[in-house]
Amino acid sequence: KQEVTQIPAALSVPEGENLVLNCSFTDSAIYNLQWFRQDPGKGLTSLLLIQSSQREQTSGRLNASLDKSSGRSTLYIAASQPGDSATYLCAGVVNTGFQKLVFGTGTRLLVSP
Amino acid sequence: ETGVTQSPTHLIKTRGQQVTLRCSSQSGHNTVSWYQQALGQGPQFIFQYYREEENGRGNFPPRFSGLQFPNYSSELNVNALELDDSALYLCASSAMTGGYEQYFGPGTRLTVT
Repeated sequence: KQEVTQIPAALSVPEGENLVLNCSFTDSAIYNLQWFRQDPGKGLTSLLLIQSSQREQTSGRLNASLDKSSGRSTLYIAASQPGDSATYLCAGVVNTGFQKLVFGTGTRLLVSP
Repeated sequence: ETGVTQSPTHLIKTRGQQVTLRCSSQSGHNTVSWYQQALGQGPQFIFQYYREEENGRGNFPPRFSGLQFPNYSSELNVNALELDDSALYLCASSAMTGGYEQYFGPGTRLTVT
């Protein structure tokens, strides 16, 4: 069974803190990993895609790493801002003859001014 | 470049009715996937279409069906609606290259009463 777990489920921090969101997966069929942001009641915004040949990707204040051997990925957010408040979802890309995403349940982040 | 669009934004239906949701893929993308997201959960894969054929399906009953058109837009049809079908329905498009990064639309919120 393909499972993706995200810890913590919720996180509340003051503005300016650096923070780490964790994602773990149990299925070795997961070969790429994609991080998303979701605002309440909205669709998903792709943040970073880490391909199996890469160990990390960076975009602005975001850095994501992937360690397939341990089944873990982390999303690092530097100098957090209130506008970063959202739910962050990680999803493993699985290839079983076609590519699909297997999602975790997300980390709900609140950054206070 | 036009992103993924979905219609309608919101929909209220009665149990037993049928519904059709629509999705236009991002320019240059030939693959469309549909996901169901219940409140507080991560999205669950329904099925995927590539070049007008269903090429992968998740654990959803046959009353969930779809179509893809020559312009790569897609429809999701749900027959005999049940209360548990109430969810946010997300469409994602991707190209069969570049790590299969998926781009999501804003979603359709379906409420079944």
